[in-house]
Amino acid sequence: GQNIDQPTEMTATEGAIVQINCTYQTSGFNGLFWYQQHAGEAPTFLSYNVLDGLEEKGRFSSFLSRSKGYSYLLLKELQMKDSASYLCALILSGNTPLVFGKGTRLSVIA
Amino acid sequence: EAQVTQNPRYLITVTGKKLTVTCSQNMNHEYMSWYRQDPGLGLRQIYYSMNVEVTDKGDVPEGYKVSRKEKRNFPLILESPSPNQTSLYFCASRKDRGYSYEQYFGPGTRLTVT
Repeated sequence: GQNIDQPTEMTATEGAIVQINCTYQTSGFNGLFWYQQHAGEAPTFLSYNVLDGLEEKGRFSSFLSRSKGYSYLLLKELQMKDSASYLCALILSGNTPLVFGKGTRLSVIA
Repeated sequence: EAQVTQNPRYLITVTGKKLTVTCSQNMNHEYMSWYRQDPGLGLRQIYYSMNVEVTDKGDVPEGYKVSRKEKRNFPLILESPSPNQTSLYFCASRKDRGYSYEQYFGPGTRLTVT
């Protein structure tokens, strides 16, 4: 398998910056996704990285390093509504399933 | 509005009573899939389909069936549900080519089997 690893839980303070890491063991893949999922709701798309480097989208940024086998999601100016699970997923090719990590549950505290 | 719909959203049933969870997408996506999500185990794929009449098993297919007779629909069938199939189920769809393989999820179906 792809062995996608993420920390199980993280806690951060409102207004701060938090980095959620994702490591994987696979060499060939099309791209890496980050999804946000609030409890009991469907995952929603945050970002998709194909090339190495940083992709910025508002308060959220995602980074990929293929050579190092890792990605991270950076959340700035944390808000209480950012309390959710964050899922890292790989897609190997167009006709293969997305493979998800188990997710990181982020708690934002005042 | 582009979306994936699932029905029912909530279902409580008894062991052995056949049920079907419907899934439909309006984005003309080739690729559709079913996941179950359980605490501590994350999203696990049950079945997926690359196009009409083409289906494949995912990681946890036992006890489930699917069909893909039309591009927009991908129902999940539990012929004889058991309590270990109590879970939160998500249907998803995406394109199978192009730059972005963004996957869209349905709202989820919470199933309880007693």
